[in-house]
Amino acid sequence: SQTIHQWPATLVQPVGSPLSLECTVEGTSNPNLYWYRQAAGRGLQLLFYSVGIGQISSEVPQNLSASRPQDRQFILSSKKLLLSDSGFYLCACLRDALEGYEQYFGPGTRLTVT
Amino acid sequence: ILNVEQSPQSLHVQEGDSTNFTCSFPSSNFYALHWYRWETAKSPEALFVMTLNGDEKKKGRISATLNTKEGYSYLYIKGSQPEDSATYLCASHNYGQNFVFGPGTRLSVLP
Repeated sequence: SQTIHQWPATLVQPVGSPLSLECTVEGTSNPNLYWYRQAAGRGLQLLFYSVGIGQISSEVPQNLSASRPQDRQFILSSKKLLLSDSGFYLCACLRDALEGYEQYFGPGTRLTVT
Repeated sequence: ILNVEQSPQSLHVQEGDSTNFTCSFPSSNFYALHWYRWETAKSPEALFVMTLNGDEKKKGRISATLNTKEGYSYLYIKGSQPEDSATYLCASHNYGQNFVFGPGTRLSVLP
């Protein structure tokens, strides 16, 4: 079964500083990987997804970027953080369910931009 | 982009009460509807995956129904307990598209 690791668990960064959040997946190969964000009082927003190494699709234009340097590694980055980047960031992979597929989530990173 | 809506946004019930929430989603190119339970400081956990019109799933005191023709799903909790307090998310998965999550219903069960 898959396991998703995310780090750091919490992060406080000043506005204008860079960001790097890392996600690694165990127990599967060539997974579809996703970055989601939950901003305060809002639902889950899909930011990026990747179907393979070096393949990134962006769902929402913003000052964030993603990279997939290895099969089971997915990185979320920013060169300069904005206050609006604060939120809870979740990495997820697609895994088989009894019917179809489901999103399986990592533990998340709580980012506060000050 | 699909628009998935949930109501109510938040809900407070007394321990022992039964409750239900609604998820509405576009029915065209429908593949599956998912319900997740999301506790504070944890990651969302899958509750149900439903694909067929008229589907009804049950897990303990929680059950869900699906109407793909009119594009809605209900989640029911019977005899709510404080440990049921969480945000309940639904997500629509349509052919050729990624999961689209609703904003969630935040349930608080008061002892």
